[in-house]
Amino acid sequence: DTAVSQTPKYLVTQMGNDKSIKCEQNLGHDTMYWYKQDSKKFLKIMFSYNNKELIINETVPNRFSPKSPDKAHLNLHINSLELGDSAVYFCASSQDWGGVLEAFFGQGTRLTVV
Amino acid sequence: QKEVEQDPGPLSVPEGAIVSLNCTYSNSAFQYFMWYRQYSRKGPELLMYTYSSGNKEDGRFTAQVDKSSKYISLFIRDSQPSDSATYLCAMRPMDTGRRALTFGSGTRLQVQP
Repeated sequence: DTAVSQTPKYLVTQMGNDKSIKCEQNLGHDTMYWYKQDSKKFLKIMFSYNNKELIINETVPNRFSPKSPDKAHLNLHINSLELGDSAVYFCASSQDWGGVLEAFFGQGTRLTVV
Repeated sequence: QKEVEQDPGPLSVPEGAIVSLNCTYSNSAFQYFMWYRQYSRKGPELLMYTYSSGNKEDGRFTAQVDKSSKYISLFIRDSQPSDSATYLCAMRPMDTGRRALTFGSGTRLQVQP
């Protein structure tokens, strides 16, 4: 019974396409996040939602748009994909706002833009 | 310069060795310090966290924080091949508007049987 699940696990797409990654958590957490991990394993926050409200919106291109239909879901839509968007995207959730208590991560979505 | 610096490794040790993993940071406001372990093709999972300075021990793992030097460490005793993974340090201030974790880039550890 997966705590934080992302779909798809792998995504290969062409430049210019629009794609979405879905995330769901069944932990009852109030806070959800999207992180991007580059090829050097550097994990960087992109967005954070607390109770469906956008709290953190780091300096990411506005081609990236998160959507939280409810507390348990945080989806990531990416328009006009570029080669530099290739990375692993992780969804995470935490009970507290800020992730001091454990942040649970999904298994990641490996996005390859060709 | 990144806020959190971590040697990427890889660090290769024989089974049973004591491993020391370290991070330095520049933001003196950081108060919470965590270590995450990430196996290949998996998401990070929390190993330990500490608040402010001091040591914390959990089984074979010990986390140390030296705020005066802005330096944190994770020690693994009696290392096992199953400890082979990337270890990411993470930290955040106590209470700011930007309450998300800042991660190091991770150190890849290989424990040879």
